[in-house]
Amino acid sequence: DSGVTQTPKHLITATGQRVTLRCSPRSGDLSVYWYQQSLDQGLQFLIQYYNGEERAKGNILERFSAQQFPDLHSELNLSSLELGDSALYFCASSPQGGGTEAFFGQGTRLTVV
Amino acid sequence: GQSLEQPSEVTAVEGAIVQINCTYQTSGFYGLSWYQQHDGGAPTFLSYNALDGLEETGRFSSFLSRSDSYGYLLLQELQMKDSASYFCAVSSGSARQLTFGSGTQLTVLP
Repeated sequence: DSGVTQTPKHLITATGQRVTLRCSPRSGDLSVYWYQQSLDQGLQFLIQYYNGEERAKGNILERFSAQQFPDLHSELNLSSLELGDSALYFCASSPQGGGTEAFFGQGTRLTVV
Repeated sequence: GQSLEQPSEVTAVEGAIVQINCTYQTSGFYGLSWYQQHDGGAPTFLSYNALDGLEETGRFSSFLSRSDSYGYLLLQELQMKDSASYFCAVSSGSARQLTFGSGTQLTVLP
């Protein structure tokens, strides 16, 4: 158990819908990262937060948004969903400014039908 | 931006030694790390190199050459359970963004 909690574990939704994925980082970790992993693909960096503020942005679509709350949990919002958005979405956390050891949650498997 | 290259597949037999290479291009480099991921599971941290040289953790070792923008993961005494995907990742930029390579699928044969 990495100490990072992601909910829900599985999500099935229809095209055009909107979903929210939730992540609770390890106690004390200030950095949160979101990644998308499509079938047999690598981990695509979406966005990074540090202590409530956005620190870095990767290839995140405009239909996607995220935030980190004062209690340090983070949410990833995916809207106007398309079939191609079906993937595993991972959240990871790391201490301080991040970049060394990151701890991953078990992921949310999103299926868009 | 950042780019990382690693082989897509490596196959070896139980008990053998395998090396997975990673070359990278990035600005504001801080360090290179390695993660293991079993099918459908979460990536788990294996090692981190910020300075040149070899870091050893049990059967796994990781090497970094900053001047060559190159690193490798060395797995010794391979076991069947080592069959998994292995990702290198660079930490870079003021935000220490963590960017992953496309992964190397390691298959360990009996």
